[in-house]
Order: sequence, then C-alpha cells, then structure tokens
Amino acid sequence: QKEVEQNSGPLSVPEGAIASLNCTYSDRGSQSFFWYRQYSGKSPELIMFIYSNGDKEDGRFTAQLNKASQYVSLLIRDSQPSDSATYLCAVGRGRALTFGSGTRLQVQP
Amino acid sequence: DTGVSQNPRHKITKRGQNVTFRCDPISEHNRLYWYRQTLGQGPEFLTYFQNEAQLEKSRLLSDRFSAERPKGSFSTLEIQRTEQGDSAMYLCASSPTGTNEKLFFGSGTQLSVL
Repeated sequence: QKEVEQNSGPLSVPEGAIASLNCTYSDRGSQSFFWYRQYSGKSPELIMFIYSNGDKEDGRFTAQLNKASQYVSLLIRDSQPSDSATYLCAVGRGRALTFGSGTRLQVQP
Repeated sequence: DTGVSQNPRHKITKRGQNVTFRCDPISEHNRLYWYRQTLGQGPEFLTYFQNEAQLEKSRLLSDRFSAERPKGSFSTLEIQRTEQGDSAMYLCASSPTGTNEKLFFGSGTQLSVL
C-alpha cells in the first residue's frame, strides 16, 4: 500500500464546473496536509494546506480533511482552463513530506 | 529573485560519470530538502537538512548519493558513478522552521544519463 494514494486521472471537467480531487493516506500520525499544483515541465507550487479536521477555503479552492477516514480532498470551484495541471497531495508529520503520484486535471473550455 | 535557485537546469552525462547539483534556498529558511521526480510520479524524498545538520536520509538513497550543506546556506547533491536509472528531475525545496513543512520548490535540475 502506498503511503499517499491518488487517482492518476485524467479528471476532465467543463469550464465553470467544480473539480473534486481526492487523496488517502496510510500514516495515522500524519499532522499536516498539503496540495501542490504542478504544470507540465514545472516544479510543484503550494496552493493549499490544512492541519485540522474540517474545511479550509481560500478563493476558489477548498481543502477538506477527515483524519478519522484518513482522507483529504481539494475542491476547485469555477474551474478554468488555466487550472489544468497535475495536483499533488502531500502529507507530513514533522519532517519531510510524502507525496502522492498526483491527479491530472483537464478543464475543457 | 528571492525564490529557491537550482543549478544547472539541465545536465546530460554518460553512465559512470559523477555529477553535482547546487541549491540556494530562500535566505531565511532553515530547512532544505532534496527530492527526485520521474515522469508520472510524485516527488520522492531523498534527504533534508536543518541548518547544516543532515537530519534524515531516505532508505532508498544508495551510497552513491551524498548531500552537504556546509554552512547552513546552499547545498550540493552529488551522484557518483551515475546509472541510467538516476535519470530524473532533482528538486530542491526549503522551508522556515516551525511551518509544518510548508515547502517551496526550486525549478529543478533535469538529469539525463546516457
């Protein structure tokens, strides 16, 4: 079992729709949770982080954390073609982050 | 530019040669990380430093890999006797202490071993 699992996609949504990206993790001691966006040929860019159960909103992005289910999600509202990228889920417990393999999102104009 | 800087951007080498990469973190960041990423995969942890101390090294890292951060500022990653399987993007990231590992990545060094 991988430490951080994501569906590789591609997840295809029409422009203006809500994109929902999911991630599960295996280490119950994990304390911090991150979403990175990675455009093709570029390095990962931090877009959201969450430490406590519940929802955290920042602009069009909402991160959701459920520690009991070991589940993290990212919602992107009003998806734009510029959101087309790979989204990496990362999990930490006081040292280096462990990344999933990413979900490729395609937003169709 | 106040971001994480990596050099070179691209490196092509022949199997068996040694290569060295450099990373300059964001100046006020105490922690520095090295990751490796291959196509279709997420970044894979290699090692990290708190100031000049190397605090953790991945069990996947063979003894051909060595990293240093001599004065707690820039870091180098050396790969000795390169193999074709070492071909990957080598990413450096930094973070300030106490931010729950909020990492900021450099542009990476793309290594191709022929």
